[in-house]
Amino acid sequence: SQKIEQNSEALNIQEGKTATLTCNYTNYSPAYLQWYRQDPGRGPVFLLLIRENEKEKRKERLKVTFDTTLKQSLFHITASQPADSATYLCALGGSGTYKYIFGTGTRLKVLA
Amino acid sequence: DAGITQSPRHKVTETGTPVTLRCHQTENHRYMYWYRQDPGHGLRLIHYSYGVKDTDKGEVSDGYSVSRSKTEDFLLTLESATSSQTSVYFCAIARGASGGSTDTQYFGPGTRLTVL
Repeated sequence: SQKIEQNSEALNIQEGKTATLTCNYTNYSPAYLQWYRQDPGRGPVFLLLIRENEKEKRKERLKVTFDTTLKQSLFHITASQPADSATYLCALGGSGTYKYIFGTGTRLKVLA
Repeated sequence: DAGITQSPRHKVTETGTPVTLRCHQTENHRYMYWYRQDPGHGLRLIHYSYGVKDTDKGEVSDGYSVSRSKTEDFLLTLESATSSQTSVYFCAIARGASGGSTDTQYFGPGTRLTVL
């Protein structure tokens, strides 16, 4: 069955460092991959989308890579700030389908 | 913000009672979704809709039904609530992020449902 794995352990990093989150998937050939941020008590908020034919995408301090051979995406936050503390979810979308599969998320805590 | 509201935001009910959650959107999006989110499971799709009166099942649809009689409203009904349906429920719409028509989801604020 299709499966997405994200680090279940919380990630603690020092302010100013680069945070790297991992999303691995199996039994799926996604057309695109998305990253969302979720704060406690709120719905997920879309951050970035990367398509299967793209290797890297950037938006301000965020960078996403997508390796369809390794079936993995890496999500980087450079110069991290305490305000970046949240849970980050990855999701996969397929060509011709309007359904998405979400990972369980990784909780990031940036220490001041 | 995709103009999505959910009601109620919080609800406590008893086992065996019917419950209806409402999702309302203001931007005329075709695709709407209901998810539940539980610790250790992430977001799981319950049902989704691809137009008025057009719905389909998701991964965890047992015990749930949906209806969409208007573009702007998508209702989720628990016919007879059980304790296992205690969860946070999110509604979402799909729209384009960068050239695609439905490749990004935007979520409502969520409904926290407790079934005693």
